[in-house]
Amino acid sequence: KAGVTQTPRYLIKTRGQQVTLSCSPISGHRSVSWYQQTPGQGLQFLFEYFSETQRNKGNFPGRFSGRQFSNSRSEMNVSTLELGDSALYLCASSTLSGRDNEQFFGPGTRLTVL
Amino acid sequence: GDSVTQMEGPVTLSEEAFLTINCTYTATGYPSLFWYVQYPGEGLQLLLKATKADDKGSNKGFEATYRKETTSFHLEKGSVQVSDSAVYFCALRQGGSEKLVFGKGTKLTVNP
Repeated sequence: KAGVTQTPRYLIKTRGQQVTLSCSPISGHRSVSWYQQTPGQGLQFLFEYFSETQRNKGNFPGRFSGRQFSNSRSEMNVSTLELGDSALYLCASSTLSGRDNEQFFGPGTRLTVL
Repeated sequence: GDSVTQMEGPVTLSEEAFLTINCTYTATGYPSLFWYVQYPGEGLQLLLKATKADDKGSNKGFEATYRKETTSFHLEKGSVQVSDSAVYFCALRQGGSEKLVFGKGTKLTVNP
């Protein structure tokens, strides 16, 4: 069974630009969550999607947005990039089957903002 | 809001040494608790979990017990190997959400 895939793996952008990151969950998984990982702030929750609906959102500015498609693939978008947006962006998928369900993480997209 | 505090390290041990990484949490209700591991250049992998008080999660020689009275979930391993070198994250999740709240992570280096 293929794992969670994220594309691209590495990305370099300049301040002010926008970026779109993609996440393909494990087949059969309908829940996708996104996290930002930085050395200073650690792992912080961005959003959670299930069946194309955003169920939960973290404390990030409106420049961060996301969506989920009918095939459960998800994208996140960051507009007007700032230097502080440089981070590893991780996505995780699960079956949303209760307290015991496991979330599987992808390898992440490393975004560098210059 | 909910939070997780873990010893930040780094922790350096010799092979076959005993490992403890402390983790405490602040949360309402009865969250599920997790330990994740991240190897260099990779995403997170679930190491073990516990979903209710007094549950013991275990995997690959690692263990952690959900202690409601001390709001703790300390990670232990009796004899570490070089291959255990990684960053370890303690996390909690409330029912009804997939949102994980993570600690800052503890970098473990095991020397031969």
